[in-house]
Amino acid sequence: QITLKESGPTLVKPTQTLTLTCTFSGFSLSTSGVGVGWIRQPPGKALEWLALIYWDDDKRYSPSLKTRLTLTKDTSRNQVVLTMTNMDPVDTATYYCARKPYSNYGNWFAPWGQGTLVTVSS
Amino acid sequence: SYELTQPPSVSVSPGQTASITCSGDKLGDKNACWYQQKPGQSPVLVMYRDYMRPSRIPERFSGSNSGNTATLTISGTQAVDEADYYCQAWDISTAVFGGGTKLTVL
Repeated sequence: QITLKESGPTLVKPTQTLTLTCTFSGFSLSTSGVGVGWIRQPPGKALEWLALIYWDDDKRYSPSLKTRLTLTKDTSRNQVVLTMTNMDPVDTATYYCARKPYSNYGNWFAPWGQGTLVTVSS
Repeated sequence: SYELTQPPSVSVSPGQTASITCSGDKLGDKNACWYQQKPGQSPVLVMYRDYMRPSRIPERFSGSNSGNTATLTISGTQAVDEADYYCQAWDISTAVFGGGTKLTVL
């Protein structure tokens, strides 16, 4: 069974840096073609893709947030860490991590973690 | 930047067929997937590679993708299918989500 779980602060102040950890089980991030992605969802709004890290440490970031995002992975601990700098109230959202399975035909995310709500407020 | 457009809402009567569209430039040349999200829950993949259905997803869900439009079709819609549905595709190593469609079964 594949599971993912996000952890991190529930409240951050404007201008602070957010650090979220995705801890997963049931798959290895050293397996060729596998990745872990981050997606967020502001309350009542649509999903927004943030970033993806591949098994070979290749990384992809949303163009609109690229300057603020950093992804790292710890394969031995089955963890992926997302940092987002200069947080603003508009970054208030539920943040999800999800597995990207191997495929030669496009990419999708399954399963997803339960999500963690991050509120940005002073 | 690449954009995917979905209708904000679709309504369907129980037992009827619901079709949810997702439009994007030359979307048919990409692989589209769909997620179902119920209130307070995480998204669940219901379709990938345009028309491939994950093992736990009921057969009433089907998908297609051609030209500029991908379509998620639910045949014999049930009340349990009421949810938000999001399409997703990749464009130049960037994942893009549609704005979501609220499916109401009434």
